[in-house]
Amino acid sequence: QKEVEQNSGPLSVPEGAIASLNCTYSDRGSQSFFWYRQYSGKSPELIMSIYSNGDKEDGRFTAQLNKASQYVSLLIRDSQPSDSATYLCAVSRGAQKLVFGQGTRLTINP
Amino acid sequence: DAGVIQSPRHEVTEMGQEVTLRCKPISGHNSLFWYRQTMMRGLELLIYFNNNVPIDDSGMPEDRFSAKMPNASFSTLKIQPSEPRDSAVYFCASSRDRVGGYTFGSGTRLTVV
Repeated sequence: QKEVEQNSGPLSVPEGAIASLNCTYSDRGSQSFFWYRQYSGKSPELIMSIYSNGDKEDGRFTAQLNKASQYVSLLIRDSQPSDSATYLCAVSRGAQKLVFGQGTRLTINP
Repeated sequence: DAGVIQSPRHEVTEMGQEVTLRCKPISGHNSLFWYRQTMMRGLELLIYFNNNVPIDDSGMPEDRFSAKMPNASFSTLKIQPSEPRDSAVYFCASSRDRVGGYTFGSGTRLTVV
């Protein structure tokens, strides 16, 4: 079992709709959770972090964490073509290394 | 803030040659990470340093790979001898105190022919 699992996609969403990206992790001791966005040919860019159960909102982005289910998600409201990218879920246990999922490729269709 | 600076951006080398990748972390960040990204394996952590000391090098593929951090503002990743399977994008990232999200450099695209 991979430490961090994501559906590789591609996930195709119409412009203006909600995009939902999911991630599961295997280490129950994980404490920090991150979402990175990576445009083709570019480096990963941090867009959200979440540390406690529940929802965290930042603009059009909402991160959701459920530690009991070992599940993290990212919702993107009012999706724009500029949101088309690969989204990487990353997880760490305390002050230790981040482990990344394979990423989900998201395409927003105008 | 100039961000994490990596050089070179692209490197093409012949099998058997030595390759050195360079990284300058963000000033004030005391943790530095070297990742490798391929289509097949995604982002893999190779090694990370905290306060210039290597903490975990379990991701380094084999003895052909070595990394150093002689001071807080510079790190190198060396591959000697290089092989075609080393072709990948190598990212350097830094963070403050290992906690929280990392800031990535622009990466070095390495092609070994």
